[in-house]
Amino acid sequence: DSGVTQTPKHLITATGQRVTLRCSPRSGDLSVYWYQQSLDQGLQFLIHYYNGEERAKGNILERFSAQQFPDLHSELNLSSLELGDSALYFCASSARGLVNEQFFGPGTRLTVL
Amino acid sequence: DQQVKQNSPSLSVQEGRISILNCDYTNSMFDYFLWYKKYPAEGPTFLISISSIKDKNEDGRFTVFLNKSAKHLSLHIVPSQPGDSAVYFCAASVDLMGANNLFFGTGTRLTVIP
Repeated sequence: DSGVTQTPKHLITATGQRVTLRCSPRSGDLSVYWYQQSLDQGLQFLIHYYNGEERAKGNILERFSAQQFPDLHSELNLSSLELGDSALYFCASSARGLVNEQFFGPGTRLTVL
Repeated sequence: DQQVKQNSPSLSVQEGRISILNCDYTNSMFDYFLWYKKYPAEGPTFLISISSIKDKNEDGRFTVFLNKSAKHLSLHIVPSQPGDSAVYFCAASVDLMGANNLFFGTGTRLTVIP
């Protein structure tokens, strides 16, 4: 158990819909990262927040957005969903934003029908 | 544009033998490399890392080798155990204004046969 929790574990929805994925980092960790893993793909970095502020953006679509709240939990919002958005979405947290200290949650599997 | 590549999607090894997982990268700015292990229904877990100023790092049964000139790294597991069966991801980092984000390979599924 990494200490990072993600909800829901599974999500099935239809094209065009909007969903919100939630991540609670390890206690005390200030950094939250979001990654997407599509079929046969590596994990693709989406976005990084540190203590409520956006630090870096990766290959995140304009239809996707994220935020980190004062209690440090984070939400990833996916809108106008397409079939290709079906993937595993992982959240990771770290205390100081160092790559060698990222702890990953179990992921949310999103299926868009 | 896949900057980190793992060209072998799978590898099978007998228990007790050496497992060698390979990874290539294209971005010469990467300065930190990591290996993660992932079991089904779990997130990746950090296994071992190496800085670009080193060419070898060892931790128990796990050793990572870095060849900067070839832009290649490898993970050696010896002796391999059935519990090592998992998907292994190679990852690399470049300090983008302090953000230290990770670029992952597509993973290699290791099966250790008892």
